[in-house]
Amino acid sequence: DADVTQTPRNRITKTGKRIMLECSQTKGHDRMYWYRQDPGLGLRLIYYSFDVKDINKGEISDGYSVSRQAQAKFSLSLESAIPNQTALYFCATSDPRGGYEQYFGPGTRLTVT
Amino acid sequence: RKEVEQDPGPFNVPEGATVAFNCTYSNSASQSFFWYRQDCRKEPKLLMSVYSSGNEDGRFTAQLNRASQYISLLIRDSKLSDSATYLCVVNVLHQDEKLTFGTGTRLTIIP
Repeated sequence: DADVTQTPRNRITKTGKRIMLECSQTKGHDRMYWYRQDPGLGLRLIYYSFDVKDINKGEISDGYSVSRQAQAKFSLSLESAIPNQTALYFCATSDPRGGYEQYFGPGTRLTVT
Repeated sequence: RKEVEQDPGPFNVPEGATVAFNCTYSNSASQSFFWYRQDCRKEPKLLMSVYSSGNEDGRFTAQLNRASQYISLLIRDSKLSDSATYLCVVNVLHQDEKLTFGTGTRLTIIP
């Protein structure tokens, strides 16, 4: 079984809808991250969390919110989706004792029409 | 100027050839460096860390030049399975454990 899972894997939604992307991990890592990937722009950090009570904005947090429900779960919400939020979204985890390596989930492909 | 810059390619290389990629970074406080590999429509995975003294893992060699602020990846005896996008990744001192990703270099190995 995968250590980092994301649901849904693909989603098409309409402008203005609220959508939640979920991430779960069995690696026991405290640190979790949400990225989006767009062609030509690479991976950009949306939010990150170092433990359940610690949430931090990344470089592109506008239009997004997150919830860290437990050590193993980190959700990303789009309160009112817009077409330029169409992208590939990745969740990642890391363990500070293991250096800076991040382990990524399989991604969620989101299309906002 | 982007924090991490890579030639996007594509690099189309015959099987068995040697190929090298470079990556430049702009922040002199960068302290840790990595190469990640990303297959089409898949998640990035760590290929190797890059150490100041350079390091080798089988057919892959990574080098760091702090003075010129670039890192390189060399792939020898390339295989069809090496076809992927290679992401240059940097961690900057005092920026927690945030990683900054380059946009990637696309490599296709031709039979």
